[in-house]
Amino acid sequence: DTAVSQTPKYLVTQMGNDKSIKCEQNLGHDTMYWYKQDSKKFLKIMFSYNNKELIINETVPNRFSPKSPDKAHLNLHINSLELGDSAVYFCASSQDGSWGRGDTQYFGPGTRLTVL
Amino acid sequence: QKEVEQNSGPLSVPEGAIASLNCTYSDRGSQSFFWYRQYSGKSPELIMSIYSNGDKEDGRFTAQLNKASQYVSLLIRDSQPSDSATYLCAVYSGNFNKFYFGSGTKLNVKP
Repeated sequence: DTAVSQTPKYLVTQMGNDKSIKCEQNLGHDTMYWYKQDSKKFLKIMFSYNNKELIINETVPNRFSPKSPDKAHLNLHINSLELGDSAVYFCASSQDGSWGRGDTQYFGPGTRLTVL
Repeated sequence: QKEVEQNSGPLSVPEGAIASLNCTYSDRGSQSFFWYRQYSGKSPELIMSIYSNGDKEDGRFTAQLNKASQYVSLLIRDSQPSDSATYLCAVYSGNFNKFYFGSGTKLNVKP
C-alpha cells in the first residue's frame, strides 16, 4: 500500500519531446507538491496544490504544467524537453500545507528523467 | 547566498560516535525547521522537525535550533552504518510562504 506513488520510475527521452509524470497519494491529504532534485542533490520545490488549486508556483519555465484532476492526483506535463530538465522529480503530499504548524511532507519514490 | 546552506561532506564518523550535522539559513523570519534523511536512490524521509529555540530529542536524534545565530543542527548519537545517508536541512519561511532545502550533507558511518 504505497502512500505516494509515481509513474514512471525512469523516463528516457529525446530533446524536444513532451512527457508526463503521474502522481497519486492515498493518504487523504489536501496538499501535493512537485520537486526537482538535480545532480548535486539540490531539492527545489516547483509547484504546490491544495485541494486542486495551485498555491505555489516557483520560477519554473512554462513548459512545465501541473494538473490536478482531484486532490489525490497531481500530474506533471513537460513540453519541449531540454537537456537541463534531466533530474529526479519527486512528488510529495502533506495534510494541509501548514508547514509552520508541523505539516509533514511524504515523498514519492521519484522519477528519474534523462533527456538525451 | 543560498537560502539554506549545508556542508556537502562527506562527513565520516566511526560506528558508535556522535555525528554532528549543521545547517545555516538566511531568512531571519524562518519559522519551521526540518531534517530529512535520503538514502542513495531513494526519496527523502522526515526524521525531525523543530520550531523553537533549544534542543529537541527523539531517540538517538537531537535537533538544535538557534534562531539568533540562524543555524540548526542535528546530532546523531551512537551512529550506526545504517545512518549512512544524505541529510537534508529544510526551512520554512512564513514571511514568504517558501520552503527551502539545503543541498544536503553526506554522512558515512564506518563499521
